Amino acid sequence: ELKVEQNPLFLSMQEGKNYTIYCNYSTTSDRLYWYRQDPGKSLESLFVLLSNGAVKQEGRLMASLDTKARLSTLHITAAVHDLSATYFCAVEEDFGNEKLTFGTGTRLTIIP
Amino acid sequence: AAGVIQSPRHLIKEKRETATLKCYPIPRHDTVYWYQQGPGQDPQFLISFYEKMQSDKGSIPDRFSAQQFSDYHSELNMSSLELGDSALYFCASSSPMISGETDTQYFGPGTRLTVL
Repeated sequence: ELKVEQNPLFLSMQEGKNYTIYCNYSTTSDRLYWYRQDPGKSLESLFVLLSNGAVKQEGRLMASLDTKARLSTLHITAAVHDLSATYFCAVEEDFGNEKLTFGTGTRLTIIP
Repeated sequence: AAGVIQSPRHLIKEKRETATLKCYPIPRHDTVYWYQQGPGQDPQFLISFYEKMQSDKGSIPDRFSAQQFSDYHSELNMSSLELGDSALYFCASSSPMISGETDTQYFGPGTRLTVL
């Protein structure tokens, strides 16, 4: 059974600081997704990482994928309040099996 | 750009009642997925359809059934509702992977089901 673990589960940080969210998974999949969810809202696609060494950046967020270590990171640079949300990583079990297994989520709170 | 549409957005039912949730995928998307998200939980995959055929099945109770219609919209039917069925139900859609594109699943706004 595919397991996807995120840490930390909760993260409270001050504006302007940098931090990293980690996502470990147990399969050999090389397709990993990051989503953002505001309370009671839908899941917004942030990044799609499709190969080992993939790195993508959008604004203050940067995601990377190391398929050999089965690890993805979501790095936050100079956090701002608007980034407060829950962030989920999600993994496809294998190519052609598109169902997503989500991590536990990281609830990020940015303090002014 | 058009997004995934779900209806209703909110639904309140009594125990043992039935509920039907509807999902209209993004135009030209032929794959639909259903997920259930309990309070404070991560989304759990229920079932998916590709070209109107069931393509995968997850932790979906036998009391639930789903189908995809000829216009690619999908319905999730839930019977004998239990208190534990209270959750956010998301539908997502994707398109076949074309060279240079991905199978990103785009999520709808969700249906919040409350069972009393």
